Amino acid sequence: DAEITQSPRHKITETGRQVTLACHQTWNHNNMFWYRQDLGHGLRLIHYSYGVQDTNKGEVSDGYSVSRSNTEDLPLTLESAASSQTSVYFCASSDQSNTEAFFGQGTRLTVV
Amino acid sequence: DQQVKQNSPSLSVQEGRISILNCDYTNSMFDYFLWYKKYPAEGPTFLISISSIKDKNEDGRFTVFLNKSAKHLSLHIVPSQPGDSAVYFCAASGRSARQLTFGSGTQLTVLP
Repeated sequence: DAEITQSPRHKITETGRQVTLACHQTWNHNNMFWYRQDLGHGLRLIHYSYGVQDTNKGEVSDGYSVSRSNTEDLPLTLESAASSQTSVYFCASSDQSNTEAFFGQGTRLTVV
Repeated sequence: DQQVKQNSPSLSVQEGRISILNCDYTNSMFDYFLWYKKYPAEGPTFLISISSIKDKNEDGRFTVFLNKSAKHLSLHIVPSQPGDSAVYFCAASGRSARQLTFGSGTQLTVLP
C-alpha cells in the first residue's frame, strides 16, 4: 500500500544545531507540504513543493528550508534550531487533481 | 490574521446526539473546504469536503454545510459515537492553490 512516512518520530536537539526531518511518500504525488502544529494555532504551512526542483515558502518559513530532488522526498531542514521551533511537524502530499492531502504520522521535535 | 477560524476550542456531546462543529473564513478566494480528524499521536486524516458550488455534502453520519454569504461552514455528526472523540480541523484552499489553510481545531468529546 502507498503511504507517507516521517522520520524520526521523536527528536531532541540542542539550540543552534542543524536538524533535518525526513518525509517520504510512495503515492507518486507531485505536491508535498510541511506543516507545524502548535496549541492554539492549528496547522501552519512551513514550505511546499509542486514538483521536482520546485519549492515555495509558506506562512511560517523563517528558519526552515526544503529541497525537492525527486518525487518521493521532501526533507525539512532547521538551519539553526531555536526553542521556538519546538513543535510537532507534519508532512503531507496530494496529487495534481485532488486537494485532499494525506498526512504522515508526525515528528515531535524538542529544542533544548 | 487567521483566515480560517474555529472559535470553539472544545465541544462535549452525549453519545447518540448531534455534534455541530463550526468554522468561519475571511478569504473570498477560498473555494474548496475540507474537514480533517486527528487522534493523539497520529497525523490528520481527511473526513469530508465541499466545493463552493455546493451548499451541502453528505457522507454517512457526516454532513458539511457551506454558507458562502456568511463565509461559514459547519460539520454535523449524527449520531455521535465515542470513537468520534478527536480534534477536528477545518481547512480551505483557493482557486489554483493546492496548499491548505487550517483552523486551530476543535476538540470533540463524545460522552458514553
